[in-house]
Amino acid sequence: SQTIHQWPATLVQPVGSPLSLECTVEGTSNPNLYWYRQAAGRGLQLLFYSVGIGQISSEVPQNLSASRPQDRQFILSSKKLLLSDSGFYLCAGDRASGANVLTFGAGSRLTVL
Amino acid sequence: KQEVTQIPAALSVPEGENLVLNCSFTDSAIYNLQWFRQDPGKGLTSLLLIQSSQREQTSGRLNASLDKSSGRSTLYIAASQPGDSATYLCAVRDSSYKLIFGSGTRLLVRP
Repeated sequence: SQTIHQWPATLVQPVGSPLSLECTVEGTSNPNLYWYRQAAGRGLQLLFYSVGIGQISSEVPQNLSASRPQDRQFILSSKKLLLSDSGFYLCAGDRASGANVLTFGAGSRLTVL
Repeated sequence: KQEVTQIPAALSVPEGENLVLNCSFTDSAIYNLQWFRQDPGKGLTSLLLIQSSQREQTSGRLNASLDKSSGRSTLYIAASQPGDSATYLCAVRDSSYKLIFGSGTRLLVRP
């Protein structure tokens, strides 16, 4: 079965600082990978998804970017954080066919001060 | 554009009650529907996955149904326990394979 690892679990950063959240996948080759953001009391918003190395699709214009340097590695980044970037970030993955169970990591809570 | 709605937003029940959580979606062209559980400050745990060709799935005390033509799914929890307290989210996989989430139902089961 597939396992998603995310780190760091919590992060407090000042406005204008850079960001790097990392996600790795265990147990599956060539997974689809996703970054979601969850604002307090709200549903999940899809930020980026990737179907393979170097292939990134962005769902919403924003201050963030994503990269997939290896098959099982997915990174969420920012050059300069905004207050509005605070939230709970979740990495998820599923098998390449797409019609399968989506597995989530434990999440990374980002607070921008 | 696919939209997913969950009702109620919050629910409080005494232990032992059977309960139903509702999920509706606007576009019936889906591949599957998935129910998740989220504990406070944690990631999501998949509970049940129903493919578009299926009507229901069961796992222990949980039963999820799908009526694709009417754009509805229900999650039935039998004999609720305090450990069932969590937020329950449904999500549909749309024609582009992306998962679209509802905003969840926050469940509290009182001892």
